[in-house]
Amino acid sequence: EIMMTQSPATLSVSPGERATLSCRASQSVSSNLAWYQQRPGQAPRLLIYSASTRASGIPARFSGSGSATEFTLTISSLQSEDFAVYYCQQFSNWPKTFGQGTKVEIK
Amino acid sequence: EVQLVESGGGLVQPGGSLRLSCAASGFTFNTYTMNWVRQAPGKGLEWVSSISSDITYIYYADSVKGRFTISRDNAKNSLYLQMNSLRAEDTAVYYCARDNKEFTMLREVGYWGQGTLVTVSS
Repeated sequence: EIMMTQSPATLSVSPGERATLSCRASQSVSSNLAWYQQRPGQAPRLLIYSASTRASGIPARFSGSGSATEFTLTISSLQSEDFAVYYCQQFSNWPKTFGQGTKVEIK
Repeated sequence: EVQLVESGGGLVQPGGSLRLSCAASGFTFNTYTMNWVRQAPGKGLEWVSSISSDITYIYYADSVKGRFTISRDNAKNSLYLQMNSLRAEDTAVYYCARDNKEFTMLREVGYWGQGTLVTVSS
């Protein structure tokens, strides 16, 4: 099973600032990585797939990068609606494992 | 518009059974792999099971293998999860989720339902 580790667990950011979230895989997943956003009380939403492709309707302030074992989600200028929990997930091998999440909170 | 509506959650005793359903609409159901993903209260996401569009391939997380059974009825645009021998650690919101791309098996989740809560407790 591929283990996904996200850091930090919590990120405190002021509105308008940049946020950088990390995700590390225990072995290479190539570019088979997705990022999801989950707001309180809501279902997750796909943000990024194949490491760097924005899903339909996702604002350009969200960007993904990386390959193999190291990945980054960047939110260029945080808006109020971006304060949420973010998960990475690999889909290189079964089981499709998630990271434990990074909570982005208002500083 | 893609819609996934789960039902069948509730309170069940340890060792009991429950069957979850997911009604899909707004897309061609029989061309997409479907998934169940769960989230324990206050915890992260855990992939549970996936079933290919033509039911040829089925995968389970080790934590549910032998106890849960995923199935689908393409004529009814419906996905199911039969859960037997339930344990307290199965308590979670269960999400029905569609793969992002059609005619593939191992992909990201493109759409999620709102979830149904399963509580296993005596």
